[in-house]
Amino acid sequence: ETGVTQTPRHLVMGMTNKKSLKCEQHLGHNAMYWYKQSAKKPLELMFVYNFKEQTENNSVPSRFSPECPNSSHLFLHLHTLQPEDSALYLCASSQDLLTGTLNTEAFFGQGTRLTVV
Amino acid sequence: SQKIEQNSEALNIQEGKTATLTCNYTNYSPAYLQWYRQDPGRGPVFLLLIRENEKEKRKERLKVTFDTTLKQSLFHITASQPADSATYLCVTGNNRKLIWGLGTSLAVNP
Repeated sequence: ETGVTQTPRHLVMGMTNKKSLKCEQHLGHNAMYWYKQSAKKPLELMFVYNFKEQTENNSVPSRFSPECPNSSHLFLHLHTLQPEDSALYLCASSQDLLTGTLNTEAFFGQGTRLTVV
Repeated sequence: SQKIEQNSEALNIQEGKTATLTCNYTNYSPAYLQWYRQDPGRGPVFLLLIRENEKEKRKERLKVTFDTTLKQSLFHITASQPADSATYLCVTGNNRKLIWGLGTSLAVNP
């Protein structure tokens, strides 16, 4: 148990559906992240939030919409996804930004295995 | 382009032996390097962090080295056990960017 909880663990959705992924951390961390992990590819950073403010959006299509209502919760809203969006979506948190100078570590949730049909 | 390369092929070793995994980086100057373990269908779990001014770091049966001249980190698991079987990810970072490796799959056979 890393202290980062993601729900649901598995999700199957049609291309016209709207769904949301939820991430929760009670570690007192200031930074939260969404990553996408596909087979044969390294982790792809999607969004970064630091103190609830989005600091990074790595050219993610608008069909993915993040929301960070407070420093403990992070959502990823999904709509009109494509089959190629099927992947493991990982939420992570860290005390400070991973790209900062304090060399902090990331705590990952178990991930949501998303299948778009 | 900036990138990290890890052993692309799976590593199979016998229980009790030392596993050595490699992480090479190019066109990049990391301030630190981290190693994570990932089991199938789960998120990565942090193992060790080593800073650019450190040559070696140890934690129980784990040892990481960082050679900024060779632009390489080696990750060792001594006295390996079947429970060590997993994918090991290398990630480097500085104050501008974080780069993840693809990971190396390790299988420790009893």
